[in-house]
Amino acid sequence: KNQVEQSPQSLIILEGKNCTLQCNYTVSPFSNLRWYKQDTGRGPVSLTIMTFSENTKSNGRYTATLDADTKQSSLHITASQLSDSASYICVVSDRGSTLGRLYFGRGTQLTVWP
Amino acid sequence: EADIYQTPRYLVIGTGKKITLECSQTMGHDKMYWYQQDPGMELHLIHYSYGVNSTEKGDLSSESTVSRIRTEHFPLTLESARPSHTSQYLCASSGATNTGELFFGEGSRLTVL
Repeated sequence: KNQVEQSPQSLIILEGKNCTLQCNYTVSPFSNLRWYKQDTGRGPVSLTIMTFSENTKSNGRYTATLDADTKQSSLHITASQLSDSASYICVVSDRGSTLGRLYFGRGTQLTVWP
Repeated sequence: EADIYQTPRYLVIGTGKKITLECSQTMGHDKMYWYQQDPGMELHLIHYSYGVNSTEKGDLSSESTVSRIRTEHFPLTLESARPSHTSQYLCASSGATNTGELFFGEGSRLTVL
């Protein structure tokens, strides 16, 4: 069964600290993996995309990694800011159907305290 | 910033009422989607469209219906709302590339009393 599991479910950190969010997936075949940020009451916004051949990609203070062999991805946030408080959703796309089906994790709820 | 808009943002209605959630995008995207999101749960695809006059049901069974008469417009309708329909509804669109990036609206939060 194709699944996307994220951990931790929720996380509280102090402003300025770093944190790492995890995403494990069983989706096969694999096309790409995206991390989305969803602010409270808003729609998700894409942060980064990882394809099969990519190991690391950065977007400002966000760095995503992908290990396609172990089917794991992480999102590392450096020097956290209050505005980083949000839900971070991992989404995996397969390439096996014309729909290009997307599999969503339940998200990690990050809270940054001052 | 994505040019996709949803109205209303919040709606509280009584059981049995008919409601339509509006979604419009100005990016010329052929693909549009409706997702349902409950707190702490993953997004579930309830409807999608690959172009004008094309609509399909998604993975999650839904009593709602959709239409796609114009490329930019993808409304969702519930003929008779029930409390079980209370949820957050997110509209999204995607372009012609195969990277699959979704551009989401800000959502419509529906509460049925």
